Amino acid sequence: DTEVTQTPKHLVMGMTNKKSLKCEQHMGHRAMYWYKQKAKKPPELMFVYSYEKLSINESVPSRFSPECPNSSLLNLHLHALQPEDSALYLCASSQHTQGAGYNEQFFGPGTRLTVL
Amino acid sequence: AQKVTQAQTEISVVEKEDVTLDCVYETRDTTYYLFWYKQPPSGELVFLIRRNSFDEQNEISGRYSWNFQKSTSSFNFTITASQVVDSAVYFCALSVDNAGNMLTFGGGTRLMVKP
Repeated sequence: DTEVTQTPKHLVMGMTNKKSLKCEQHMGHRAMYWYKQKAKKPPELMFVYSYEKLSINESVPSRFSPECPNSSLLNLHLHALQPEDSALYLCASSQHTQGAGYNEQFFGPGTRLTVL
Repeated sequence: AQKVTQAQTEISVVEKEDVTLDCVYETRDTTYYLFWYKQPPSGELVFLIRRNSFDEQNEISGRYSWNFQKSTSSFNFTITASQVVDSAVYFCALSVDNAGNMLTFGGGTRLMVKP
């Protein structure tokens, strides 16, 4: 199984809503990532989890709250978002075996988020 | 700091034409990794290739080939006999961290292959 799955595929929410994005992988990868991608732009890294611990937070506003319940799951909790947060949210995973050569990231299909 | 430049924002070709997507990178690190990803309209980024800085061998995979030249800091991607299914946005990316945590992406090149 070389797949990263994300749910939901589409999400529309109001600025006062609370919602969560879910990402799952069963490749035994120990690094997982959240990216945000605006139209016609490259992905921007938001968070990195290594061995279920948050290792990188790219100065993301607190209205985005990541969670890694176990090595296969990654969530992104959303609260009080703004319309400018509308974007494609991509999850990725990689093996994260430092010193053993590079580990490419495998991406999920993304969640298209619209904030009204 | 790292930087990746994909000067071609959009390329349009007719099916069966060959097309080359350019990628130029900047880094002061001597050990680094270069990638190409394909993003079709469905949204998922599909990993195509990785190259490390010690391996300048060019690679061919079916209709795809990659030309890595450290002397010009370039890692270009050629599609031979393009097909409509090749239509996508292609991203070149660079990392200097062998754990893969930080990818620096280029701006992407949108390739449109017309029948």
